[in-house]
Amino acid sequence: ETGVTQTPRHLVMGMTNKKSLKCEQHLGHNAMYWYKQSAKKPLELMFVYSLEERVENNSVPSRFSPECPNSSHLFLHLHTLQPEDSALYLCASSKGFYNSPLHFGNGTRLTVT
Amino acid sequence: GIQVEQSPPDLILQEGANSTLRCNFSDSVNNLQWFHQNPWGQLINLFYIPSGTKQNGRLSATTVATERYSLLYISSSQTTDSGVYFCAGGLTSGSRLTFGEGTQLTVNP
Repeated sequence: ETGVTQTPRHLVMGMTNKKSLKCEQHLGHNAMYWYKQSAKKPLELMFVYSLEERVENNSVPSRFSPECPNSSHLFLHLHTLQPEDSALYLCASSKGFYNSPLHFGNGTRLTVT
Repeated sequence: GIQVEQSPPDLILQEGANSTLRCNFSDSVNNLQWFHQNPWGQLINLFYIPSGTKQNGRLSATTVATERYSLLYISSSQTTDSGVYFCAGGLTSGSRLTFGEGTQLTVNP
């Protein structure tokens, strides 16, 4: 079983849909992150949670809504997305808040039509 | 925030060759990590190396924080080494990581 699991692997949604991305980590880490990776761009940090509290929101539009019910699970709720939101969304976790190795999931490839 | 520059942007090797990838930072970093993203998108953490030298099999990394750079060495490259290599740095332990744009490595058989 991989350390960080993301579902679904692929998602196609219309601009009026509502969907959620799920991330689960089995590493006993205390910090979890959402990153966005668009073509030809460096990874962009979206949200950071440390011990289930959001510690960083990197100016992300409100159509992206994170949720961290416990230290093992992280969700990204999506609604009324735009085509430019199509990207690879990566979840990561680390033992401490940005002071230890980041471990990434396989990512969700999102296409907004 | 800090600026991260990776070089070269693209690298093509024959299997068995050695290579060096470089990461330059605009400021001294206290948290530096190297990652490999395979063609399927999976990002693997290769090294957590704020300073000094570490080795893991055919890969090794060296960070000279005071000189604001880090190097990733790949020896006896294999086709499975293909993918994108990213470095990421943070100014202090506990500060946000900034990722570079990556080096696209292709190893041909």
